[in-house]
Amino acid sequence: EPEVTQTPSHQVTQMGQEVILRCVPISNHLYFYWYRQILGQKVEFLVSFYNNEISEKSEIFDDQFSVERPDGSNFTLKIRSTKLEDSAMYFCASTWGVGGYTFGSGTRLTVV
Amino acid sequence: SQELEQSPQSLIVQEGKNLTINCTSSKTLYGLYWYKQKYGEGLIFLMMLQKGGEEKSHEKITAKLDEKKQQSSLHITASQPSHAGIYLCGADKGTGFQKLVFGTGTRLLVSP
Repeated sequence: EPEVTQTPSHQVTQMGQEVILRCVPISNHLYFYWYRQILGQKVEFLVSFYNNEISEKSEIFDDQFSVERPDGSNFTLKIRSTKLEDSAMYFCASTWGVGGYTFGSGTRLTVV
Repeated sequence: SQELEQSPQSLIVQEGKNLTINCTSSKTLYGLYWYKQKYGEGLIFLMMLQKGGEEKSHEKITAKLDEKKQQSSLHITASQPSHAGIYLCGADKGTGFQKLVFGTGTRLLVSP
């Protein structure tokens, strides 16, 4: 069964450092997403991406965040200057438009 | 904005018992999704419901979207330890590709 692949599974970074979280969505999917889940809290939407541009973003997705689809397969989330409160599980998801969203296994980001 | 409330927040059942988890929306549900999450891991898609009164089953799990389309229930028959995890409901606008708003989650433990 096709999967959404996320790397790394766990990343520890110092406050103020830049991090890039990587995702390989399912190959024929058209819509891509990033969500985050702070420990013990709800899964929250960050951003959706379609046709090489952001289609929607949440209030969380401020100027410190950016997304990119640098080639035909990867979808990345960059946090420019990490803060302690960015510590969370980050999930990538994709869909081709009907039938459900497929989520990756997540990247646990710890900012120290 | 749409809010999803799940009940109960947590549940411990004896193996072999049936259980029901509810997801109540502050607005009409158009696309309702159920996911399962093992602690600290990714989201596994279970079922998608779109029509009022729709009911779907997979193995021992049945999900239903009520006629008024503001509540969904997830029913597990003859629970097993493998059913343990966090169950999340999510809703979109029914288009199949817009963002998901997630519920608060229900943590299920199945005791032997």
